[in-house]
Amino acid sequence: NAGVTQTPKFQVLKTGQSMTLQCAQDMNHEYMSWYRQDPGMGLRLIHYSVGAGITDQGEVPNGYNVSRSTTEDFPLRLLSAAPSQTSVYFCASSLGSGRAGELFFGEGSRLTVL
Amino acid sequence: DAKTTQPPSMDCAEGRAANLPCNHSTISGNEYVYWYRQIHSQGPQYIIHGLKNNETNEMASLIITEDRKSSTLILPHATLRDTAVYYCIVSSTQGGSEKLVFGKGTKLTVNP
Repeated sequence: NAGVTQTPKFQVLKTGQSMTLQCAQDMNHEYMSWYRQDPGMGLRLIHYSVGAGITDQGEVPNGYNVSRSTTEDFPLRLLSAAPSQTSVYFCASSLGSGRAGELFFGEGSRLTVL
Repeated sequence: DAKTTQPPSMDCAEGRAANLPCNHSTISGNEYVYWYRQIHSQGPQYIIHGLKNNETNEMASLIITEDRKSSTLILPHATLRDTAVYYCIVSSTQGGSEKLVFGKGTKLTVNP
């Protein structure tokens, strides 16, 4: 099993550009989520999904869109990148059904917006 | 409002037990205590969780006080690879990511 796979690992964007961070898991997990982590801070939840076709906003959703068309994939779209979105992004998944708190994280995608 | 309080940093000698404390005085009856760690630049890693009984797995032991207002994560024989930020989180397992709030954690440094 590959676990949670994030691509790309590094990305540089110019202000106003759009892009999609990809996240895939091969563990048949119901829950998937996206976090961002800024220097010296904890992780902040952007969006999450409790199953295919269902998404909801987390703590810091503005400027990001998500969709969950399959169980395996949960892409994060930046609509118009801003320097404030420079961060490390982590995707996570979990089984749900009483084990929702046992998250498996990807290795992160490091985004710089100039 | 922070649900947990952890010391910002701790040191431990290699080979000794690392005991990481966490206060969660407002924990409610259906909330579990979760521990994660994040080694520099990597994604966080789930360690262990518990409700009221002590728990042990291949990575660590979790000791929860009888009143459930505090807990301690124990790494029995710390190695240099255990140097990381350790997060203590309280959450109901009825929720997933939306219920797990990662604070700033404790930075554990294991010294040779």
